[in-house]
Amino acid sequence: QKEVEQDPGPLSVPEGAIVSLNCTYSNSAFQYFMWYRQYSRKGPELLMYTYSSGNKEDGRFTAQVDKSSKYISLFIRDSQPSDSATYLCAMGLSGGSYIPTFGRGTSLIVHP
Amino acid sequence: KAGVTQTPRYLIKTRGQQVTLSCSPISGHRSVSWYQQTPGQGLQFLFEYFSETQRNKGNFPGRFSGRQFSNSRSEMNVSTLELGDSALYLCASSSKREPGQETQYFGPGTRLLVL
Repeated sequence: QKEVEQDPGPLSVPEGAIVSLNCTYSNSAFQYFMWYRQYSRKGPELLMYTYSSGNKEDGRFTAQVDKSSKYISLFIRDSQPSDSATYLCAMGLSGGSYIPTFGRGTSLIVHP
Repeated sequence: KAGVTQTPRYLIKTRGQQVTLSCSPISGHRSVSWYQQTPGQGLQFLFEYFSETQRNKGNFPGRFSGRQFSNSRSEMNVSTLELGDSALYLCASSSKREPGQETQYFGPGTRLLVL
């Protein structure tokens, strides 16, 4: 079992839909959680960073962390075709040890 | 403000050779981290440098090494190349040690093909 599990998709949704992307993990010591967006043939772009549990909202994006279930989510409201990309979750320990572990990524397709 | 630049963008090498990749971070950023991305293993952390010191290292063999210069530019070196080293190598810069304290920016990557 990989330390971070993420469904590769593809996930295909119509424009305007609410998208839910998820990751599960096995290491209960993970303290910080991130979501990246990667367009084809580009480097990743950090979208959201969350420390410990709770929710964080930024525009159309909401990140949720449920440490009791070892489950994190990224919600995208009013999805747009420009959101079509691969979304990677990442997480790691804290205390100065920045060694992130990444999920394999979920391919999202938002069709007009 | 110029973004993170990586050179070269594409590289073809043969098994047994060595390769050096370069990364220029965003001006003022002191943290540079390196990653390997392959279809089989996904994105994996290689190492992180902060103010010329390697602070963290991922689970890669000693053939993978790096360094950071006083101007924050960084290089990574892979010696005795293997076919499995074919990958997209990405670097990212940040003004803080961990993303979230200040956002992290990735370069476009260097695509390495080992024949």
